[in-house]
Amino acid sequence: EVQLMESGGGLVQPGRSLRLSCAASGFSFDDFAVHWVRQVPGRGLEWVSGVSWNSGSIDYADSVKGRFTISRDNAKKSLVLQMNSLRAEDTALYYCVKGNSGVLTGSGAWFDSWGQGTLVTVSS
Amino acid sequence: DIVMTQSPHSLAVSLGERATINCKSSQSVLSTSNNKIYLAWYQHKAGQPPRLLIYWASVRQSGVPARFSGSGSGTDFTLTISSLQAEDVAVYYCQQYYSLPTFGPGTKVDIK
Repeated sequence: EVQLMESGGGLVQPGRSLRLSCAASGFSFDDFAVHWVRQVPGRGLEWVSGVSWNSGSIDYADSVKGRFTISRDNAKKSLVLQMNSLRAEDTALYYCVKGNSGVLTGSGAWFDSWGQGTLVTVSS
Repeated sequence: DIVMTQSPHSLAVSLGERATINCKSSQSVLSTSNNKIYLAWYQHKAGQPPRLLIYWASVRQSGVPARFSGSGSGTDFTLTISSLQAEDVAVYYCQQYYSLPTFGPGTKVDIK
């Protein structure tokens, strides 16, 4: 069974940093792209960032580009999102998500498994 | 970026009746190389993570009941719940994966 377990969320002041982690199990982690998708309370889903199977392709939503950094460690089956210069509008539930293929877009790139999410609150 | 829109914003349907959700993309998500539509649908219930229902616009994910079906062309798509059950109350999102992923704003489905 695919399991994705996020951690690292919490309350942080604007301008500060936070590091989210995701521990994966139950599948061949190094074969698949993994992503972060967030949901602002009461609003819809927003793709934040993704990394391909071998870290050869990485991309970000414009709203976080230059502030967030995604990385993966295939040996540890883990995904990390380093979030710097946090803003109030980054407040959201952050999901770790498995892609159905190794690439970020195109054939097979839908999201087939989701973690439970970790809540990030940016407030003074 | 490809912008996804959905209609209606919300709908209420009687148990056993049909629910229809529409989704539109700002540009075609049909690949001419393989003739496939790069469109997925997700169900999001309160307090749970989203669940994949459909990919390639019309292929049901394993374990998804047959009352859920998807259809569409290059820019216009439909998710249909043929006979609404109480457990189908949720927000439904379309998402394109032709380019960097984008979601529709969601459609909330309730029981009338």
